[in-house]
Amino acid sequence: NAGVTQTPKFQVLKTGQSMTLQCAQDMNHEYMSWYRQDPGMGLRLIHYSVGAGITDQGEVPNGYNVSRSTTEDFPLRLLSAAPSQTSVYFCASSYSVGEAFFGQGTRLTVV
Amino acid sequence: AQSVAQPEDQVNVAEGNPLTVKCTYSVSGNPYLFWYVQYPNRGLQFLLKYITGDNLVKGSYGFEAEFNKSQTSFHLKKPSALVSDSALYFCAVRDRVSNYQLIWGAGTKLIIKP
Repeated sequence: NAGVTQTPKFQVLKTGQSMTLQCAQDMNHEYMSWYRQDPGMGLRLIHYSVGAGITDQGEVPNGYNVSRSTTEDFPLRLLSAAPSQTSVYFCASSYSVGEAFFGQGTRLTVV
Repeated sequence: AQSVAQPEDQVNVAEGNPLTVKCTYSVSGNPYLFWYVQYPNRGLQFLLKYITGDNLVKGSYGFEAEFNKSQTSFHLKKPSALVSDSALYFCAVRDRVSNYQLIWGAGTKLIIKP
């Protein structure tokens, strides 16, 4: 019963490097989202998808790309890492009006 | 604009006392309301939801919440707090205008003192 799986759990990047945060769900949810969580800022939506082949921007999309080629996978790409992208990243999936299921998070540090 | 407010950054309660974590919302139409809990260095866990029906909903770990349409509130409650309830609590809402994306409150840190 995997639910939402995020990898890696921890990552340190140098400024300017790129990387992909992986997210996979096995619940056949059509909705998937990426959030970042910073101290005192709550959760901020980066990008989301309402189904395979459909993505849209959230509140803070700059510096990030996503794609949704399958129902199960929703990777988040950092194009050129900046210290301002140091954060904890969460992936979530759900049916349209149901509760969201979250991954365990990726703690990213950009130096 | 749609929004969710959690007016208290922190709530302190003595163990065994009842607790309330407040949430109010501003959305158009009929909302779908949720509470989540986050323990340190963990992801968010679903506690309970209101979709339709009875205004009092019961969830995990003995928590419940009351939907009040006239006051646009969805406060989280528990009759008797445990030290293990200490965590960060988030209220969230979905509605059609936001394409059913979750709109989040800023979170309330709940501290239960022995």
